[in-house]
Amino acid sequence: LAKTTQPISMDSYEGQEVNITCSHNNIATNDYITWYQQFPSQGPRFIIQGYKTKVTNEVASLFIPADRKSSTLSLPRVSLSDTAVYYCLVFSGNTPLVFGKGTRLSVIA
Amino acid sequence: SAVISQKPSRDICQRGTSLTIQCQVDSQVTMMFWYRQQPGQSLTLIATANQGSEATYESGFVIDKFPISRPNLTFSTLTVSNMSPEDSSIYLCSVDVLGQAGANVLTFGAGSRLTVL
Repeated sequence: LAKTTQPISMDSYEGQEVNITCSHNNIATNDYITWYQQFPSQGPRFIIQGYKTKVTNEVASLFIPADRKSSTLSLPRVSLSDTAVYYCLVFSGNTPLVFGKGTRLSVIA
Repeated sequence: SAVISQKPSRDICQRGTSLTIQCQVDSQVTMMFWYRQQPGQSLTLIATANQGSEATYESGFVIDKFPISRPNLTFSTLTVSNMSPEDSSIYLCSVDVLGQAGANVLTFGAGSRLTVL
């Protein structure tokens, strides 16, 4: 399984764009990149998933360069409610997801 | 996406006892997983619950301590046996749903917060 590395924590002010970068140097050809968000006292929630280039949904954008050795989760105009832990994971097929330590995002008013 | 109900949501247990956590899904799913999240930590995969066969355990987890049942495609149980304070954690059930990109996406239950005294 490809190991991921992401910052332990980040701070941001409300209304700013937040970019969280994840490194996955050993990503395999069949691996997908997926991001989850976890609020206190809740289970993780799927945010976005991609294989290459750029993916955008109503919550976030995911940028994946051509070599796929990293990915960046972009949260536009964050609010206080975006304070959470964000996990970057890499996997293929039906292999169970292995969570790393995640990035604790604190949004400040 | 699937809706998962976990019971109990929380419990306080005495050392040496066992507790069974139930996970009910509102649709049939192929893959079900059990995770543990210790206070302030990330999630650790305990096992994959296989329907009709024995669960597949991750390194560091054994069937005698964490027996798992999966009688059908919508239900699973995880038992934490002979509990000690070190077992105090949140236990989460999750299921896979085919994601937008063609790869699997996990939906998690709210978790069962277990405190062992």
